[in-house]
Amino acid sequence: EAGVAQSPRYKIIEKRQSVAFWCNPISGHATLYWYQQILGQGPKLLIQFQNNGVVDDSQLPKDRFSAERLKGVDSTLKIQPAKLEDSAVYLCASSSLMGAPGPFGPGTRLTVL
Amino acid sequence: RKEVEQDPGPFNVPEGATVAFNCTYSNSASQSFFWYRQDCRKEPKLLMSVYSSGNEDGRFTAQLNRASQYISLLIRDSKLSDSATYLCAGSGDSNYQLIWGAGTKLIIKP
Repeated sequence: EAGVAQSPRYKIIEKRQSVAFWCNPISGHATLYWYQQILGQGPKLLIQFQNNGVVDDSQLPKDRFSAERLKGVDSTLKIQPAKLEDSAVYLCASSSLMGAPGPFGPGTRLTVL
Repeated sequence: RKEVEQDPGPFNVPEGATVAFNCTYSNSASQSFFWYRQDCRKEPKLLMSVYSSGNEDGRFTAQLNRASQYISLLIRDSKLSDSATYLCAGSGDSNYQLIWGAGTKLIIKP
């Protein structure tokens, strides 16, 4: 079974630039998560989709972050404009309905200069 | 106060020893708990769910203590490959929402 795919794996941008990340979850998984993980911290949920609806986006900085899940499958996460404190690993995970998050994708390591 | 707290470690443990670490949670309404393993510069991987009755998977045992609001992970006969950061996660106000600890780093030494 193919795992959760994410791209790009690494991204370096300057502050105030825009960036987008892509995630392709496990086929058939209804739930998709985007997490932000800063070095030395646990993952922080940014947004959780169930099919193509949003279940939880309470910690998403909506003034600069946006996310969508196309047709309940792939998802993109965008940051516009980026700030220095957005430097982190952005992890995508999927799960069956009501399952624990997982598997996770390999993540996108974002550096904002 | 953080909702889910873990001792960051590192726990330095000789190979073959038994090691245990706890994770405390503040939300008494939390229903679901999980342990994840995260290797350096890798993604988290689900290790095991934590049930009220406890859960054992080979050398790993997870326990839930609702009275004292903590979960524990016990690793017996530790292997070098067990070296990783162990993250705990608990459900928040709804089972949809997981709150994560910052992780406990475990180093198994030969």
